[in-house]
Amino acid sequence: GAVVSQHPSWVICKSGTSVKIECRSLDFQATTMFWYRQFPKQSLMLMATSNEGSKATYEQGVEKDKFLINHASLTLSTLTVTSAHPEDSSFYICSASTWDGYEQYFGPGTRLTVT
Amino acid sequence: SQQGEEDPQALSIQEGENATMNCSYKTSINNLQWYRQNSGRGLVHLILIRSNEREKHSGRLRVTLDTSKKSSSLLITASRAADTASYFCATMDTGRRALTFGSGTRLQVQP
Repeated sequence: GAVVSQHPSWVICKSGTSVKIECRSLDFQATTMFWYRQFPKQSLMLMATSNEGSKATYEQGVEKDKFLINHASLTLSTLTVTSAHPEDSSFYICSASTWDGYEQYFGPGTRLTVT
Repeated sequence: SQQGEEDPQALSIQEGENATMNCSYKTSINNLQWYRQNSGRGLVHLILIRSNEREKHSGRLRVTLDTSKKSSSLLITASRAADTASYFCATMDTGRRALTFGSGTRLQVQP
């Protein structure tokens, strides 16, 4: 149980375009989802926390107008990277937790390359 | 968010040996968790230790937590080549659900 999927697993896009990444909890209701970014050989950095039906809470330094997060249902959150630039190339990982759980279940990640 | 430090940054051992990784953090925590990440993949949850616990075991894994020193260690006994991965500690701060990850330890187990 507790499976989280991400789609796509990898994407290449041109500079200036927008890319949407989906994060789904397949067998549980995720009241809270988290989005992390990981640059090569570095650790995960939290970008934002989203609760179902609410606006996302962004970490300091993360542009909310550039990284649009929508958590419209208990099983789906989306991250849209708007007007992507090469410096946005990274590994984006989502995680999900239930309302009463401390454990986070991570998706397999999405590798974004902006050319 | 500030991250904790892990040491060593990289560790190379022979199969069958034990591997110990250390993690230090800076805040007041609710719990500390350890994750494994194979190259280019998602994270696998290994173990969670609560702030009122001092030691926890799971199979070949042993985790300790010292809240007075704000540190934790992960011991993998009788390592296997399949244990080769990056290992991250992550803290859940009091009053917060998000995780703050440490810098990670890259473990290489030579067959």
